[in-house]
Amino acid sequence: NAGVTQTPKFRVLKTGQSMTLLCAQDMNHEYMYWYRQDPGMGLRLIHYSVGEGTTAKGEVPDGYNVSRLKKQNFLLGLESAAPSQTSVYFCASREESNQPQHFGDGTRLSIL
Amino acid sequence: GQSLEQPSEVTAVEGAIVQINCTYQTSGFYGLSWYQQHDGGAPTFLSYNALDGLEETGRFSSFLSRSDSYGYLLLQELQMKDSASYFCAVREGGNTGKLIFGQGTTLQVKP
Repeated sequence: NAGVTQTPKFRVLKTGQSMTLLCAQDMNHEYMYWYRQDPGMGLRLIHYSVGEGTTAKGEVPDGYNVSRLKKQNFLLGLESAAPSQTSVYFCASREESNQPQHFGDGTRLSIL
Repeated sequence: GQSLEQPSEVTAVEGAIVQINCTYQTSGFYGLSWYQQHDGGAPTFLSYNALDGLEETGRFSSFLSRSDSYGYLLLQELQMKDSASYFCAVREGGNTGKLIFGQGTTLQVKP
């Protein structure tokens, strides 16, 4: 039972570099979410998807793009990384809109 | 604006009872959830209240008063392993399932 798997777990980038974070879920969930968590703060929603082929903006979408080409995968892209994007990124999925969200273990991203 | 307020830190002793409060102000409301997070790991779901009243799950209970925009998480018979961060989250979107999270309460359980 893998649940929600995030790749990579850690990454260090230089300012201006690009990268893609991968989230994969094996529970056939429709809904998927990307959050960021900064020290001493709760989770803030970056982008989300209510089904394959759909994406929408959350609270803090600037500087990020997402894609949901396959139901099981939700990709988060940073086109030109900035130090302000240093954070822990969590992916989550849920079966229905009123069901609990299942979270991955997070990706710790540092941008120098 | 949208905001959830919860205490930043709570300390209690093993075996005691602790209550973590959460007040919210959001544009939409479909329910209040609670999540637990150990040492920055994956948040895990604890409970969900869509209607007023108390929900009990083992040692944990959660309460909601929609008229007061208020809820709380009650942890009984505290154990050392309960030391963690606890987040309240409002389900804001009916069809999207979007959650707005509070900043979290760090619970420290002492022997």
